[in-house]
Amino acid sequence: NAGVIQTPRHKVTGKGQEATLWCEPISGHSAVFWYRQTIVQGLEFLTYFRNQAPIDDSGMPKERFSAQMPNQSHSTLKIQSTQPQDSAVYLCASSPTGKDTQYFGPGTRLLVL
Amino acid sequence: QQKVQQSPESLIVPEGGMASLNCTSSDRNVDYFWWYRQHSGKSPKMLMSIFSNGEKEEGRFTVHLNKASLHTSLHIRDSQPSDSALYLCAAASSGSWQLIFGSGTQLTVMP
Repeated sequence: NAGVIQTPRHKVTGKGQEATLWCEPISGHSAVFWYRQTIVQGLEFLTYFRNQAPIDDSGMPKERFSAQMPNQSHSTLKIQSTQPQDSAVYLCASSPTGKDTQYFGPGTRLLVL
Repeated sequence: QQKVQQSPESLIVPEGGMASLNCTSSDRNVDYFWWYRQHSGKSPKMLMSIFSNGEKEEGRFTVHLNKASLHTSLHIRDSQPSDSALYLCAAASSGSWQLIFGSGTQLTVMP
């Protein structure tokens, strides 16, 4: 079991550029969650999918952030017009049913210059 | 105001000692608690979960839950330097399965 896979592990973008982050959940898990971690704000929920359907995106900044899950083996988080305040570690987690323990990937460290 | 409060913010214990960490939710809808451990530069790893009143023990780790007060505690006996990490408490309700995290307790175990 490879665990949750996230790519890239590190990404540096210039202000105003687009960033796309990828997540491959654990095989057989039906739910995928996205979180963001910073020193100041800690770990914050962004959005989640169950059986590829969006369930809750209440944590997503509305204007520049979007997430998709086109198939059961991967999800993407896209940030348009990145800003320095978007710099964070973006963590993807999956769980078997969405109503149980979540297992985190290694994260993508995003730095916006 | 944070919905999940953890204390203390930081804790130093000697090797072989007992570490006690606390977590309380202010959201009455919370039903489930997890403890995650995050070593520096790594992602959170689930340590223990507790969903019912009472106590649960796994090796050197014991968790307690009081659902009436929405308080959970994690106790680590015979602490080891490898236990040095950020310990995160997470809570969820059956109505919304997003995890709400506390700000964590930074544990340092001194050799």
